Amino acid sequence: EAGVAQSPRYKIIEKRQSVAFWCNPISGHATLYWYQQILGQGPKLLIQFQNNGVVDDSQLPKDRFSAERLKGVDSTLKIQPAKLEDSAVYLCASSGQGSSYNSPLHFGNGTRLTVT
Amino acid sequence: GESVGLHLPTLSVQEGDNSIINCAYSNSASDYFIWYKQESGKGPQFIIDIRSNMDKRQGQRVTVLLNKTVKHLSLQIAATQPGDSAVYFCAEYTNAGKSTFGDGTTLTVKP
Repeated sequence: EAGVAQSPRYKIIEKRQSVAFWCNPISGHATLYWYQQILGQGPKLLIQFQNNGVVDDSQLPKDRFSAERLKGVDSTLKIQPAKLEDSAVYLCASSGQGSSYNSPLHFGNGTRLTVT
Repeated sequence: GESVGLHLPTLSVQEGDNSIINCAYSNSASDYFIWYKQESGKGPQFIIDIRSNMDKRQGQRVTVLLNKTVKHLSLQIAATQPGDSAVYFCAEYTNAGKSTFGDGTTLTVKP
C-alpha cells in the first residue's frame, strides 16, 4: 500500500510569514495526526482528526496554527505568522482503526521547516 | 507533567552484538506501548507494540519487555546490524487516547 504522503519536503521562510503543509494519509485510514518534532526530541502531537472532525487539539497553538481536513481525507496544517521556535519537522500520520490506542501510526517523512 | 523518558540518549554497539534500549514511563494510566524506529530524514516506523496485560512480546529479532511494577519498558535487538542504526522512541498510550513520545535513543552500530 502507498504510504503517507507529505509536501513540501523542505520549507524555509522568514519569521512572521505564513506557511502551509499538506498531507495525504493511507487510503481508508480514518484517523489523521499532525506532530511537531523539534530537533533532538520526540514527536509532539498537535492535532488529531477522526474523519473530518477534531478529536484532540489541546496542544495546538491556536493563535497561530490551524488545521483542517474538510473531506475526511487530505489535511493541511497552516502556521500564520511563523516564529523562530516553529522551526521543526512536521510529521503527518494516519491509523486505520479509530485511534492510536488500537493500532500503530503510519508516519510520512515530514516537512522540515526552517524559520529565519 | 508526566512523560516518557529514556535512560540513555545514545548507545553504541558492535555489529552482531545484542542491543538493549530502555525507557521509563511515569503515567500509571498508560496501558499500551509502542517502539518506533526513526532513520535520518524519515518519519518514525513501527517496530513492535505491547499491551499492559503482557510482560513480553517477541518479533523478528526484536523483543519488548514491560515491567509495570517499576514502569519500565525495554527493546532488545538481537544480532544488531548496521541497518539498525537509527533513533528509537518509545511511546505510551492511555485508553483515553492520550499519547506521549519519549526523546529517543540514538543507536550506532559499529562494523
